[in-house]
Amino acid sequence: DGGITQSPKYLFRKEGQNVTLSCEQNLNHDAMYWYRQDPGQGLRLIYYSQIVNDFQKGDIAEGYSVSREKKESFPLTVTSAQKNPTAFYLCASNNQGGGELFFGEGSRLTVL
Amino acid sequence: DQQVKQNSPSLSVQEGRISILNCDYTNSMFDYFLWYKKYPAEGPTFLISISSIKDKNEDGRFTVFLNKSAKHLSLHIVPSQPGDSAVYFCAVIHVGSYIPTFGRGTSLIVHP
Repeated sequence: DGGITQSPKYLFRKEGQNVTLSCEQNLNHDAMYWYRQDPGQGLRLIYYSQIVNDFQKGDIAEGYSVSREKKESFPLTVTSAQKNPTAFYLCASNNQGGGELFFGEGSRLTVL
Repeated sequence: DQQVKQNSPSLSVQEGRISILNCDYTNSMFDYFLWYKKYPAEGPTFLISISSIKDKNEDGRFTVFLNKSAKHLSLHIVPSQPGDSAVYFCAVIHVGSYIPTFGRGTSLIVHP
């Protein structure tokens, strides 16, 4: 089945540690995105990538990093510089022509 | 500054009645509009969309209305069902882009 797979679904981390969230898609989509969801804040764009080896900052990129070495994969690293990392993280993809986004199931990160 | 506003954080409706979720946007250059539905701890799923050349799009129980002069769109669900209880996000896409900007969401509760 085609779709987007995020892992892990739940993750706990100590302050000061970096953590990487995985996102893999087999939809052959060109564009991939990372959003963050906080209560009452909706979905805020962290980073996006239109093609392999290229990515751009979204609205809240500080404290995060990404890579796009393969079309199928767009991992997100939450670094220790991110001041408030506890959140629900969503990966999504679509074609460059636009239209609906397809989302993964999300990863909940909790910093202890 | 929010470009997409969902001013009602929550809405409560009786089963069988109509649910109306509203969304206002600020930029007349947005030309594609989407609604997503999200259950807790899951990724959002696409519900329905409308382009700026239309003022109405219908899909089963779901209808989206677009009022370009008022920069307003709404989602009507008729009849509402308990399974419709979820958070609904409005999203807009700018002309020449394909990256959605999301509102903060409205939590719909449909009572049996």
